[in-house]
Order: sequence, then C-alpha cells, then structure tokens
Amino acid sequence: GENVEQHPSTLSVQEGDSAVIKCTYSDSASNYFPWYKQELGKRPQLIIDIRSNVGEKKDQRIAVTLNKTAKHFSLHITETQPEDSAVYFCAASISTGFQKLVFGTGTRLLVSP
Amino acid sequence: SAVISQKPSRDICQRGTSLTIQCQVDSQVTMMFWYRQQPGQSLTLIATANQGSEATYESGFVIDKFPISRPNLTFSTLTVSNMSPEDSSIYLCSVETAPTRYGYTFGSGTRLTVV
Repeated sequence: GENVEQHPSTLSVQEGDSAVIKCTYSDSASNYFPWYKQELGKRPQLIIDIRSNVGEKKDQRIAVTLNKTAKHFSLHITETQPEDSAVYFCAASISTGFQKLVFGTGTRLLVSP
Repeated sequence: SAVISQKPSRDICQRGTSLTIQCQVDSQVTMMFWYRQQPGQSLTLIATANQGSEATYESGFVIDKFPISRPNLTFSTLTVSNMSPEDSSIYLCSVETAPTRYGYTFGSGTRLTVV
C-alpha cells in the first residue's frame, strides 16, 4: 500500500527565515497531495494542495512543489512568523475504488521570535 | 467548504464500555472518513463510510471494535467498543469538500480518555 515519508520530524527556525518540509510517496498512481497545519488541540486545516498535473503552486508565503518522477513533494514557507508554529502533515491520495488520503508522520515547526 | 459538527468533543470512559461519536455535515457527501490520532502521532484512517453500504475498514481495524453507521448522506457515527486505555486517542471524521473535489475537511475531533 501507499507509504508517505515526511522529514524532518522537527524544525526550528528564526522568525523571517524560510522553512522547507519534504515528503516522499510510494504509489505512482497518487495524484493529489495536500498539506495540513494542526495547531495544538485543534483540527487539521488544509493550507495548500497540489494535483499531479501541476509542478508548483503558491499562495502568498506558502508554496508546494511536486516532482512526480522522483515521487516527492515539498512545502515551502517563506518569511516565517511565530504563528506558523504548528505541526504540519503532508498526505497523498490513493484510489481503491474511492479516493482516500495517507498521511505523513508530521513535522513540528517552531518559529522563534 | 463543508462544515462538520462532531460530538462529543471529549469524554472520559471506563474500560470495557463503549462510546459513540457523531458527525453531522451541513451538506450531502458521498464518503465520510474516520481517523484516529494517537497522542503526538499522525492521522491513521480507521474506515470509510459510504451511505447505503457497509464501511470499508483499513488494515488493523475491525468492525466489531469500531462499528460505523451511515444512515444518510449527512450523518455518520463511529462507536469505540469494549474500550481499553490503548483506545485513548483523538478521533476525527472527515469529508471530501466540494467544489475543490479533492479537498478534505475535518471535524473538530473527539478526545477520548479511557481509565
């Protein structure tokens, strides 16, 4: 079945720096790759997603890149702010008659003022 | 995007008992997904509930332990049966959000503690 690996598990940056989180997946049929942000005690919130027909997508300070050949995708956060501190999860879609998501192990991002 | 109401938000239960978690969506959805998130861990899919058919369970999860109902296109329940302390987790429901087609929204979660 699909396996999604996520690195690093923790990431500490200074405010204003960039942060990059990387994920790899195993199922070449995966075609949808969302990123979720989960603050302490809250539900995961979709922050950006990308489909397999696109190589890059950007939304203000957040961007996602996808390399289908290498089966990896990355989240890029520029000009980080303390409120970016949270756990970030990547996911990849798999289809077994219906579409569902497999999640990575998560990255705890800490942005220090 | 869809709005999901999940309840209870938290509960403390005695071992050996059962708890039923409810999710109500403000629009009709084909699939509803139930996840477990153990403390400090990622999200693990328990099962997928499709209205009018039996739920599809992931490896490691069985219907006797986690029975699911899906009586209509806006509602689903997950029961955690014969609970043990190892069942202490956050349980979340999720739906696919139109019109983005593949966007998935989560309920607020149920924090379960088994004592």
